[in-house]
Amino acid sequence: DIQMTQSPSSLSASVGDRITITCRASQSISNLLAWYQHKPGKAPKLLIYKASTLESGVPSRFSGSGSGTEFTLTISSLQPDDFATYYCQQFNTYSKTFGQGTKVEIK
Amino acid sequence: QLIESDGGLVEPGGSLRLSCAASGFTFDTYAMIWVRQAPGKGLEWVSTISGTGVSTYYADSVQGRFISGRDNSKNTLYLQMNSLRDDDTAVYYCAKIREVGTVTTAPCDYWGQGTLVIVSS
Repeated sequence: DIQMTQSPSSLSASVGDRITITCRASQSISNLLAWYQHKPGKAPKLLIYKASTLESGVPSRFSGSGSGTEFTLTISSLQPDDFATYYCQQFNTYSKTFGQGTKVEIK
Repeated sequence: QLIESDGGLVEPGGSLRLSCAASGFTFDTYAMIWVRQAPGKGLEWVSTISGTGVSTYYADSVQGRFISGRDNSKNTLYLQMNSLRDDDTAVYYCAKIREVGTVTTAPCDYWGQGTLVIVSS
């Protein structure tokens, strides 16, 4: 199975900050990577798919990049609603493995 | 929209069937997945099922114990969970694959709200 490794596991930031989260795949997955936002008690929300395509309705402050085994999620100016846990997920295979998550907290 | 049935409390070794009722899209043209989140842990992929239901795939942690199924006439997805263990305690989510006719090459665009399953004596 493909393993996904996210870093950092958590970060503290302030409103307005630019943050970047990294995700590494154990083997090449081309651009078949998604990013989700997850808040307690809520369903995960798809933000970005195919590494860099913004899902409809998602604010443009979210962006993704990468291919092969290295990927990043960037939030250009953190907003109060963005404090949540973020997960990457590979969908290169039927086993749609997730990274371990990055919790974004208020500094 | 995806609405999961209530989970519940079950003893170790017991069984439970979850269901996920779908509406608002042509159910039988989309693969579906189950994902879970144990307390204090991250998201874990559990199972993928094709739109026809013919093809199913499972995480190693549930292989041989869990069975995914679907009744396309009722727009409903199922997860039959047998031989439950303490470490199966989690919130279980159903989710829809974003693109028609594929079990790979697409992420999940719609998710249910999740249902809590507790395995404990």
